[in-house]
Amino acid sequence: DGGITQSPKYLFRKEGQNVTLSCEQNLNHDAMYWYRQDPGQGLRLIYYSQIVNDFQKGDIAEGYSVSREKKESFPLTVTSAQKNPTAFYLCASKTSGGGGIQYFGAGTRLSVL
Amino acid sequence: GNSVTQMEGPVTLSEEAFLTINCTYTATGYPSLFWYVQYPGEGLQLLLKATKADDKGSNKGFEATYRKETTSFHLEKGSVQVSDSAVYFCALSEGPGGSYIPTFGRGTSLIVHP
Repeated sequence: DGGITQSPKYLFRKEGQNVTLSCEQNLNHDAMYWYRQDPGQGLRLIYYSQIVNDFQKGDIAEGYSVSREKKESFPLTVTSAQKNPTAFYLCASKTSGGGGIQYFGAGTRLSVL
Repeated sequence: GNSVTQMEGPVTLSEEAFLTINCTYTATGYPSLFWYVQYPGEGLQLLLKATKADDKGSNKGFEATYRKETTSFHLEKGSVQVSDSAVYFCALSEGPGGSYIPTFGRGTSLIVHP
């Protein structure tokens, strides 16, 4: 079945530690996105990538980094510079062109120890 | 820039009640409009979409009509079930040549009681 796979489902970060959230898709989509969701809040865009080896900052990129070395993969690293990382993180891909449908993963819940 | 405004929740209804969740948008050009649903602890999934004015999207008993004159895309369902309890997001995405970044509303929580 085609879809977006995020792992792990739950992740704990210690003080001063970098952690990486995995996002893999087998939908052959060029565009991929990372969102942060806080309780009772909407989605806030962290980073997005329109094509392999290219990505742009979203609204809240500080303290995060990404890479896009393969079409299928768009990992997100939450660095120690992100002082309030506790949130639900969602990865998505989008069908090509404008007006496309986004497909979301099941999310990773990150907490601080 | 683009924006999407949804009614604030939570919306609390009894089973079999009629549902309306309001959504209005601001956009340049001719965007596509979407409703996504998020069940507890899960990602978002597409509920329905409409790509041009007067189109009606429908799925699982939910409907929404693309109204260009009122820039609205209100979500309706004639008889809600407990299993419809979730958060609903209205969103827009620009057409070809437009931004690759979809715009989401803040989400509306729906709680349906037996």
